[in-house]
Amino acid sequence: NAGVTQTPKFRVLKTGQSMTLLCAQDMNHEYMYWYRQDPGMGLRLIHYSVGEGTTAKGEVPDGYNVSRLKKQNFLLGLESAAPSQTSVYFCASSYERVHTGELFFGEGSRLTVL
Amino acid sequence: GQNIDQPTEMTATEGAIVQINCTYQTSGFNGLFWYQQHAGEAPTFLSYNVLDGLEEKGRFSSFLSRSKGYSYLLLKELQMKDSASYLCAVMDSNYQLIWGAGTKLIIKP
Repeated sequence: NAGVTQTPKFRVLKTGQSMTLLCAQDMNHEYMYWYRQDPGMGLRLIHYSVGEGTTAKGEVPDGYNVSRLKKQNFLLGLESAAPSQTSVYFCASSYERVHTGELFFGEGSRLTVL
Repeated sequence: GQNIDQPTEMTATEGAIVQINCTYQTSGFNGLFWYQQHAGEAPTFLSYNVLDGLEEKGRFSSFLSRSKGYSYLLLKELQMKDSASYLCAVMDSNYQLIWGAGTKLIIKP
């Protein structure tokens, strides 16, 4: 099983450039999440989705946009990248809103903004 | 504010036992999770506690005391492959996960 797949795995951007990270899951999960992970800090939720066609802001949404046009895909966009967005980005999915179930994470996308 | 505290780094010897502590202050509580994350990889689920007490799963056990805002992850018979970061996360009253910064566990032969 593929589980949760993220593309690209690595990307280097210049300040002001735009890009989109793609997350795909094949587990028919309703809930999908985008996190960023920075040294010395816990995972921080950027945006999440509770189903196809819906999105919601998390803890650190500024500078990011998301879309969930298909149930299996969750896209994270950076319209004008800034050095502060240098981070490792993780997509995750869950069958329900993680009441007792687990989050399934993708392998991460390492983004560097120069 | 909401806060999860865990030690930054711990070192242990192969074959030994190690306890990784996590203390939390959150607005409400709907469960505590432990995840393992090897360097450069995705976090993977280890355990979930919502009631006080000890949950055992093979070499790993997780304990919770809600009144003390405290949990620990106990790893027995340590193996080199247990070298990883261990992430503590608490689900608050809004069912949002609050994550600790993680504890890097180094296993020495």
